[in-house]
Amino acid sequence: DVKVTQSSRYLVKRTGEKVFLECVQDMDHENMFWYRQDPGLGLRLIYFSYDVKMKEKGDIPEGYSVSREKKERFSLILESASTNQTSMYLCATSTANYGYTFGSGTRLTVV
Amino acid sequence: GENVEQHPSTLSVQEGDSAVIKCTYSDSASNYFPWYKQELGKGPQLIIDIRSNVGEKKDQRIAVTLNKTAKHFSLHITETQPEDSAVYFCAALNQAGTALIFGKGTTLSVSS
Repeated sequence: DVKVTQSSRYLVKRTGEKVFLECVQDMDHENMFWYRQDPGLGLRLIYFSYDVKMKEKGDIPEGYSVSREKKERFSLILESASTNQTSMYLCATSTANYGYTFGSGTRLTVV
Repeated sequence: GENVEQHPSTLSVQEGDSAVIKCTYSDSASNYFPWYKQELGKGPQLIIDIRSNVGEKKDQRIAVTLNKTAKHFSLHITETQPEDSAVYFCAALNQAGTALIFGKGTTLSVSS
């Protein structure tokens, strides 16, 4: 089975800090995604990537950036954390047949 | 923009009853429709999916139906059990075929 590992389950950061959320997969999946999950809003796409050093904006990219230096690792960066970025962040991977495998999520609190 | 609407937002049923969750999508070019189940403290897990060349798919107690003309698809769970209690998300592949657009989720509670 594909395993998607998010480095932290819980994070607490201060407003203005630069925050890195890491996601690593142990299969050779081309596509990787970052979503945020908020109550009543479902899952919203932040950024995705379908190759090394390649990135595409999703629906809500403002305030975020990403990095994909290696195929297995996709990092989400909050350049200057704000309280409205308090959320559950989910990483996912997929192959060309679309089925996603999600990580367990990182619950980020910005204070 | 592209959108997936999901109803109801909450659903409570008695053990053994059936549960139905419905979704509509906006982009007629969408051709892939998965359903995910999210248990507390975990990431969503794929439970069933359907492609646009199929009208119905079944896997034990779970079935999905697709009506392309009406642009809606539904999840059917029969003989519900307490372990079916979770949040369920529908999704549709976006127009570019690059990412999934998710509905807002349905919290299903099955009481024994």
